[in-house]
Amino acid sequence: DADVTQTPRNRITKTGKRIMLECSQTKGHDRMYWYRQDPGLGLRLIYYSFDVKDINKGEISDGYSVSRQAQAKFSLSLESAIPNQTALYFCATSGLGNEQYFGPGTRLTVT
Amino acid sequence: GEDVEQSLFLSVREGDSSVINCTYTDSSSTYLYWYKQEPGAGLQLLTYIFSNMDMKQDQRLTVLLNKKDKHLSLRIADTQTGDSAIYFCAETPSGGKLIFGQGTELSVKP
Repeated sequence: DADVTQTPRNRITKTGKRIMLECSQTKGHDRMYWYRQDPGLGLRLIYYSFDVKDINKGEISDGYSVSRQAQAKFSLSLESAIPNQTALYFCATSGLGNEQYFGPGTRLTVT
Repeated sequence: GEDVEQSLFLSVREGDSSVINCTYTDSSSTYLYWYKQEPGAGLQLLTYIFSNMDMKQDQRLTVLLNKKDKHLSLRIADTQTGDSAIYFCAETPSGGKLIFGQGTELSVKP
């Protein structure tokens, strides 16, 4: 079984809708991250959490919110989706080192 | 500031060596990483180098680090079609985050 899972894997939604992307991990890591990937821009950090009570904004947090429900779960919400949030979203985890382990990604399309 | 730069595309012939280059800005980065992303998949850690090393070799992969110029490279020997992917370098400024480059898409032609 995969160590980092993301649901859904693909989602098409309409402008203005609320959507939640979920991430679960079985690695026992305290640190979790949400990134978005756009062609030619690499990965940009949206939010990160170093433990259950810790939430930090990343480079591009506007329009997004997160919830760290447990050590193993970190969800990303788009309160009111807009077309320029169409992207590939990745969740990642890390232990005390900097090495990060990535989920398979969620492809989100906002029409 | 924190910034990592890579060229976007590289095309090589099967059997040739590939060299993917990266420049970074944060001289305090303890580790520098190379990740590989195959089509439709997430990123997988390929290799890394500790900042006090100049070179690291791992089978067909060679990582070179020039700390003075803040330049990192990944050499893949005997490149195969299965090496076709996007390769990301990443630096580790303080704070436990990774800063990724834009990714270099490697295309291997038979």
